Amino acid sequence: DADVTQTPRNRITKTGKRIMLECSQTKGHDRMYWYRQDPGLGLRLIYYSFDVKDINKGEISDGYSVSRQAQAKFSLSLESAIPNQTALYFCATSVGPAENIQYFGAGTRLSVL
Amino acid sequence: GENVEQHPSTLSVQEGDSAVIKCTYSDSASNYFPWYKQELGKGPQLIIDIRSNVGEKKDQRIAVTLNKTAKHFSLHITETQPEDSAVYFCAAIKPPGTYKYIFGTGTRLKVLA
Repeated sequence: DADVTQTPRNRITKTGKRIMLECSQTKGHDRMYWYRQDPGLGLRLIYYSFDVKDINKGEISDGYSVSRQAQAKFSLSLESAIPNQTALYFCATSVGPAENIQYFGAGTRLSVL
Repeated sequence: GENVEQHPSTLSVQEGDSAVIKCTYSDSASNYFPWYKQELGKGPQLIIDIRSNVGEKKDQRIAVTLNKTAKHFSLHITETQPEDSAVYFCAAIKPPGTYKYIFGTGTRLKVLA
């Protein structure tokens, strides 16, 4: 969905490096999410944010941190990347409690060597 | 915690045939069940959803059925076309956490021309 933009689309990094994945949205949604997708495991929630001052851990937050710089921007950081963080990462947004639908970006493919 | 099982993991059908993907959820409090389609190089996109007060919902060639007693729901695609080839994810959500999707592990559907 072009309304949810993730950068970069692909990234190769080395073990121990700090990297940041960025997400921006033009949908005007308050809620933003970061997911990780691994083959055979589906999508798993890393962090989510309901507004600029709200950050919550998901089911697999260890090794990750996030920053909600503005309503439209939500960044995911890997402080010290490790090979098992190699995965496809998705950002998503939603309106709020009145609507359940989540809108996903195109994903960032991350490889940690 | 809540779990969603999805089967099969891969499915190949001839063009024009029907495809059925099944999901089973563990938490009887779940009340919203979306299906997402993920095409190659793109993020998941909602294709149909159903709420717990409805047993079946149809949108052109796709339909979803829900059996609350058995705690399972299914995606039905009729008259399959090559553009239906993608990975499909089911999910379940329970109140009050309408933000928190529990995704199935995905089904890769191949429609053979």
